[in-house]
Amino acid sequence: SYGLTQPPSVSLAPGKTARITCGGNNIGSYSVHWYQKKPGQAPVLVIYADRDRPSGIPERFSGSNSGNTATLTISRVEAGDEADYYCQIWDSRTDHVQFGGGTRLTVL
Amino acid sequence: EVQLVESGGGLVQPGRSLRLSCAASGFTFDDYAIHWVRQVQGKGLEWVSGISWNSGSIGYGDSVKGRFTISRDNAKNSLYLQMNSLRTEDTAVYYCAKARTTGTWADFADWGQGTLVTVSS
Repeated sequence: SYGLTQPPSVSLAPGKTARITCGGNNIGSYSVHWYQKKPGQAPVLVIYADRDRPSGIPERFSGSNSGNTATLTISRVEAGDEADYYCQIWDSRTDHVQFGGGTRLTVL
Repeated sequence: EVQLVESGGGLVQPGRSLRLSCAASGFTFDDYAIHWVRQVQGKGLEWVSGISWNSGSIGYGDSVKGRFTISRDNAKNSLYLQMNSLRTEDTAVYYCAKARTTGTWADFADWGQGTLVTVSS
C-alpha cells in the first residue's frame, strides 16, 4: 500500500511557526487532508484538498503539497494547538484510504 | 447540526462477532459517502472501511478485508459494521466519519465520538 511518512514529533515555543511534513512518493499528485486529534476527542479536519480550510479553522492553519512532500503549517502556535496531526489521502489506484503515522505537536 | 452517534461497542471474546451502528442526523444521509476509522490506544488512525451514498462502491482496509462488512440503511439514516472473527488487535475506538461533500469520497469533515471495542478472553 502507499506509504505516508510523518515525523513522530515536533516541539516549539508559543508564537513560533510549526511545519509538519507528510512524505510520500509523488504525493503532489494526490489530494492531501490533515486532521487534528486531541486525547479523548474525535479528529477534526483542519485542511482539505492540500490547502483549503474548513469553516471555523483559524487562518493560522495552512497547507501545501508538491513533489514528494505535503506540509501543514501552523503559524503563531498556541498552547491549544497541542495535539497529534495526521495527513491522509485516498489512493484511487487501490481504492484505499491511507493515514500517515501522525505527528505529536508539543508547545513548550 | 451534523450528528454521528456510534453504538454497539463492548467486550467480546476473540473469534466472536460484533455489530457496530452509527446513527446520523442533521444532513441528508443518503447523499454522502461514510466510513469507519479506528484508533488503537496509543497508536495512529487507521481506515477500516467506506461506503458510497448508494452502496455501489465499498472499500476495506487490508487488515479487516474478508472479516468485516460495511452496510448502510438510508431509510434509517444508519451505517453499520459487521465484525466477524474478531482478533485482539481489533481492539480500538471505532469512529464513523462522513465525507465533506456529496461529491467527495474520503475527506472526513464530520466524526462521531467513537465506540470502544475490546477483544479479549
